[in-house]
Amino acid sequence: GAVVSQHPSRVICKSGTSVKIECRSLDFQATTMFWYRQFPKKSLMLMATSNEGSKATYEQGVEKDKFLINHASLTLSTLTVTSAHPEDSSFYICSAREASGEMETQYFGPGTRLLVL
Amino acid sequence: GQNIDQPTEMTATEGAIVQINCTYQTSGFNGLFWYQQHAGEAPTFLSYNVLDGLEEKGRFSSFLSRSKGYSYLLLKELQMKDSASYLCAVTSGTYKYIFGTGTRLKVLA
Repeated sequence: GAVVSQHPSRVICKSGTSVKIECRSLDFQATTMFWYRQFPKKSLMLMATSNEGSKATYEQGVEKDKFLINHASLTLSTLTVTSAHPEDSSFYICSAREASGEMETQYFGPGTRLLVL
Repeated sequence: GQNIDQPTEMTATEGAIVQINCTYQTSGFNGLFWYQQHAGEAPTFLSYNVLDGLEEKGRFSSFLSRSKGYSYLLLKELQMKDSASYLCAVTSGTYKYIFGTGTRLKVLA
């Protein structure tokens, strides 16, 4: 199946710094990628939809200036958490959409655990 | 609004069969997915239903009734490694997934 990578897998940073997370589709081109946030023992919450060559679409309640998304190519999307604070600590997961025939499938990256001190 | 409900937790015994239900109310429907997620890991794809009926794939089966807004995931011959969260997700006219609350399944020896 399709493979999606994320980097870094884990990051610890000081409050006030910015953190960039990369999401790559390794063996397919992804015109659309998605960024999710997951709190412990909770389901995935969609933050934004990242479209190659255009601005990201953010879900209600997600601050676009706080969570900057850039979909630079068909295989790479980045999420930058700007001026991170402890409440931004979470598990961030990206996914990439692959359209194959009638089936729309999202393949998920391994996730990035962010801890802001 | 969009609403997808699953039981929060379930417990079953190794070797048994368990059914995890998912009910949904969405503004449109393009398909329903089931994903498995182990703690601290990304979700992995299990099944996809777009038409009514049962889709069987080894020990896992998934059922869909669009008229009832209902799906279930059936796990047979449970193994300890099946202890995980199971996420139901619906797509509705866009490419976005709307995830349910997730069901944490604990398999006991």
